Amino acid sequence: QSVLTQPPSASGTPGQRVTISCSGGSSNVGPNNVHWYQHLPGAAPALLIYRNNERPSGVADRFSGSKSGTSASLAISGLRSEDEADYYCAAWDDRLSGWVFGGGTKLTVL
Amino acid sequence: QVQLQESGPGLVQPSETLSLTCTVSGDSIRSFFWTWIRQPAGGGLEWIGRIYTSGTTNYNPSLKSRVSMSIDVSKREFSLTLTSVTAADTAMYYCARDSSGWTFSDAFDIWGQGTQVTVSS
Repeated sequence: QSVLTQPPSASGTPGQRVTISCSGGSSNVGPNNVHWYQHLPGAAPALLIYRNNERPSGVADRFSGSKSGTSASLAISGLRSEDEADYYCAAWDDRLSGWVFGGGTKLTVL
Repeated sequence: QVQLQESGPGLVQPSETLSLTCTVSGDSIRSFFWTWIRQPAGGGLEWIGRIYTSGTTNYNPSLKSRVSMSIDVSKREFSLTLTSVTAADTAMYYCARDSSGWTFSDAFDIWGQGTQVTVSS
């Protein structure tokens, strides 16, 4: 059971917009930054969104993040087949004094 | 460009100790947190713990009794030790750079490719 809650799956057709939610609590998402990671098949996870809504250089602006209260979201617009991957949110947990992840969302491009 | 490379045995006997090392190249190891994360087959990411270049550590409470980490700044490497392993510790193990500061949390911005560890006799 993950501390942060994500839907196990999401899907969309090419060109669509998809959102993935990440729900936490008052000790993690509420007071701290949320970061998102993309895990492509056969590769290491890679940073996709940091500090709730910032994109590292090289990440397409089709990817965006937001946070409100104890929930965060990742949005992917103009969906492409190469976006098919697992997506994880993460946040520092002040009560646990450690990092916590969401359970991951498997995105399928139909 | 910073790169991380994990190394260590791919097979560990049950009840024995798992030891992995992550070597940092391309930039200084100083003034960062360095972290270990694992992923069992078909499962999600699990944070194991992190170490700062001063040696200060934070561990996942669920693993704290079995985990220790160390760092050798001169060799630009940091290590993970996990004792009394069972089949449940079989996973892909990743090292990563945690760009957090002491008063704020930031992302794992650089990841190693990962190393598969299987616990089996």
